[in-house]
Amino acid sequence: EVQLVESGGGLVQPGGSLRLSCAASGFSFSHYNMNWVRQAPGKGLEWVSYISGSGDTIYYADSVKGRFTISRDNAKNSLYLQMSSLRDEDTAVYYCARGGGSGSCNYWGQGTLVTVSS
Amino acid sequence: DIRMTQSPSSLSASVGDRVTITCRASQTFSNFLNWYQHKPGKAPKLLIYASSTLQSGVPSRFSGNGSGTDFTLTISSLQPEDFATYYCQQSFSTPRTFGQGTKLEIK
Repeated sequence: EVQLVESGGGLVQPGGSLRLSCAASGFSFSHYNMNWVRQAPGKGLEWVSYISGSGDTIYYADSVKGRFTISRDNAKNSLYLQMSSLRDEDTAVYYCARGGGSGSCNYWGQGTLVTVSS
Repeated sequence: DIRMTQSPSSLSASVGDRVTITCRASQTFSNFLNWYQHKPGKAPKLLIYASSTLQSGVPSRFSGNGSGTDFTLTISSLQPEDFATYYCQQSFSTPRTFGQGTKLEIK
């Protein structure tokens, strides 16, 4: 069974940093592209970042480019999102999602809440 | 960036109704269009990918269609568990933008 479990969320002050993790199981992690997607309170889904299975190809949304860094450790079946220079508008539930057919996200974790507030 | 616009933004319907949600892209692409269902407090769920391919395990009452700039998600006969928010997403280019969502409510 495919499982994705996010962790690392919490309360952080504006300008601070946080590292999210996503532990994957039930599939051959290195063979799959991965994504981070977020949902701010009362808002819709927003795609944040993508990393290929090998880690060679990475993309970011403009709203996080230069502040967030996606990475993965295939030996540990783990995906990461290093977030820095956090802003109020980064407050959201962050989901990790496995890449599927046609660039879709076919499996999602339950999400971890990041709150940026002073 | 490709902008995705869904209509309607909200919809009231009854169990057994046939419902169609539309997604329009700001520029044309082939069929890199996906549909998701999202319920509060739950993980989003992929319903349809590549415009019309049903994700494994998704009931056949869900169907997708379209190419170019106009896409649709149809639920043929609404069930109580289908009341949720639905999102389209293009995966043709980055950023992989979502529509703003369509909230489907019980009438």
